[in-house]
Amino acid sequence: GQQVMQIPQYQHVQEGEDFTTYCNSSTTLSNIQWYKQRPGGHPVFLIQLVKSGEVKKQKRLTFQFGEAKKNSSLHITATQTTDVGTYFCGTSGSARQLTFGSGTQLTVLP
Amino acid sequence: DGGITQSPKYLFRKEGQNVTLSCEQNLNHDAMYWYRQDPGQGLRLIYYSQIVNDFQKGDIAEGYSVSREKKESFPLTVTSAQKNPTAFYLCASSSLEGTEAFFGQGTRLTVV
Repeated sequence: GQQVMQIPQYQHVQEGEDFTTYCNSSTTLSNIQWYKQRPGGHPVFLIQLVKSGEVKKQKRLTFQFGEAKKNSSLHITATQTTDVGTYFCGTSGSARQLTFGSGTQLTVLP
Repeated sequence: DGGITQSPKYLFRKEGQNVTLSCEQNLNHDAMYWYRQDPGQGLRLIYYSQIVNDFQKGDIAEGYSVSREKKESFPLTVTSAQKNPTAFYLCASSSLEGTEAFFGQGTRLTVV
């Protein structure tokens, strides 16, 4: 299946600082999905992007899909302690094989 | 109350024993998936199925087996051939249209 690489693996920020995680692929992606997993929980869907250059916002979260559809980013403005968790990007190819990056574990220091 | 249910939440087994993890969904989803998650690791795909009586290997299928006899159910068997079975196992389902996947609560398997 399609492989996506995610960086950074870990990120510690002070509450109020911004946070960004990046997802990259060597091949063109048909879509990119983002999920959040709280500590001890299960992944929960945040959003899906399918169009080249697409940008979507959810309150303090901004999601982007690159023009070449090979990379994506999730940006959180002014982090809060409720943002703590691991953020995963994932993609489903033509075979419907939903695969994920390794995730970015976000810690927000109060 | 629609959703995807995994049971049990915690499971302990002795080394060398096969163990089956349950995954049931009432979302009428065609696609179902099994993932393995190790501490600090991402989600690695074990098996997936798009339709009843059909399934495909994911990236780490060795030592695992699945069945899809009913649309609602996709049980995963961790066999004795799996060298390092202790992990957190997550089941997910989605429609074939490829939008969001819904995850179960997970089963934490410990082999001693």
